[in-house]
Amino acid sequence: DAKTTQPPSMDCAEGRAANLPCNHSTISGNEYVYWYRQIHSQGPQYIIHGLKNNETNEMASLIITEDRKSSTLILPHATLRDTAVYYCIVRPSFTGNQFYFGTGTSLTVIP
Amino acid sequence: DTEVTQTPKHLVMGMTNKKSLKCEQHMGHRAMYWYKQKAKKPPELMFVYSYEKLSINESVPSRFSPECPNSSLLNLHLHALQPEDSALYLCASSHPGRPNGYGYTFGSGTRLTVV
Repeated sequence: DAKTTQPPSMDCAEGRAANLPCNHSTISGNEYVYWYRQIHSQGPQYIIHGLKNNETNEMASLIITEDRKSSTLILPHATLRDTAVYYCIVRPSFTGNQFYFGTGTSLTVIP
Repeated sequence: DTEVTQTPKHLVMGMTNKKSLKCEQHMGHRAMYWYKQKAKKPPELMFVYSYEKLSINESVPSRFSPECPNSSLLNLHLHALQPEDSALYLCASSHPGRPNGYGYTFGSGTRLTVV
């Protein structure tokens, strides 16, 4: 079952930071937050994940609130190639292998 | 090799045909998955294999028959499909049940059209 809520769509100007929010108010202590994106008709691509600390990699930063009920994916300098659907997913560790997608946010980067 | 390879990329089949989708990975992942994705919808989990055994079937109709012949291969056998089964079929793999630090790796999918 999807346990996340995301805005259906967002726009961002090219070169600016894109901040994509995700609400996961029912998250439990052993659940991680994953972010994936899907460019049109391709397979989903892993971006970043975290448990409770903020995380950064070469693609993005993940900010998780202290109560862990929400998070924000930050693309620091959005390019046209970042136009995609972004999915926020919560997944428990160790318990099965389920990975369920929510409805995602369609991000359009505008020139 | 950090890829999941799916073949064919496109498939058109009639409602009386039998066809198979193939998925291959060489990352040593022991969990493999099939997802179905309709246009403008998120991927929906269909099947999960863990250590070559079927662990999850999300109430998928029997006209879809998965098979995991070895740890690197995953097949989806199709028979007597309906036009509403037309979709993008995605394969993914992961380390099963490992501490989270490992996500899923997805293939590019097979675009299936049932006529």
